Amino acid sequence: ELKVEQNPLFLSMQEGKNYTIYCNYSTTSDRLYWYRQDPGKSLESLFVLLSNGAVKQEGRLMASLDTKARLSTLHITAAVHDLSATYFCAVSGSRLTFGEGTQLTVNP
Amino acid sequence: EAGVTQFPSHSVIEKGQTVTLRCDPISGHDNLYWYRRVMGKEIKFLLHFVKESKQDESGMPNNRFLAERTGGTYSTLKVQPAELEDSGVYFCASSQLVPPGQGSNEQFFGPGTRLTVL
Repeated sequence: ELKVEQNPLFLSMQEGKNYTIYCNYSTTSDRLYWYRQDPGKSLESLFVLLSNGAVKQEGRLMASLDTKARLSTLHITAAVHDLSATYFCAVSGSRLTFGEGTQLTVNP
Repeated sequence: EAGVTQFPSHSVIEKGQTVTLRCDPISGHDNLYWYRRVMGKEIKFLLHFVKESKQDESGMPNNRFLAERTGGTYSTLKVQPAELEDSGVYFCASSQLVPPGQGSNEQFFGPGTRLTVL
């Protein structure tokens, strides 16, 4: 059974700081997703990572994938308050298997 | 283009009652999925429709849950009778039906229905 673990589950950081969220998964998969969820809103797709060594960047967020280590990271650079949300990684096969989510709070 | 919509956004019911959740996928998406997030845990797969057929219902917790997708358009998820542990956020997602390697089957999510069973 595919398992996905995220850490940390809760992250409180100051504006302007950098931090990384980690996502480990237990078995080989063909793609990995990062989603953002604001309270009461849909899961918004941030990144889709397809191959080993893939790196994608959008604004202050950068995601990478190491399929050999079965590890993906979501790096936050110079955090701003607007990044406060819950971030999920998910691994796909015929269905999506999600991590528990990381609740990120960026404080002024 | 309209996204995935879900109704209601919130539902508060008493234990033993029945609740029906509705999901309208993106037009033209043959794949429809239901997921659930309980008590701040991970989002867990419930089932997958391809058009009107259940492709995979291995995530359904028990026979108190019934999902339908008559006509292959919108879907309903009925919980009868509801129990306390059914409380959570129920997400619906849809995607295009594409052969492997021939395009994106990325899933697009609705805002979820928050169900509270008292």
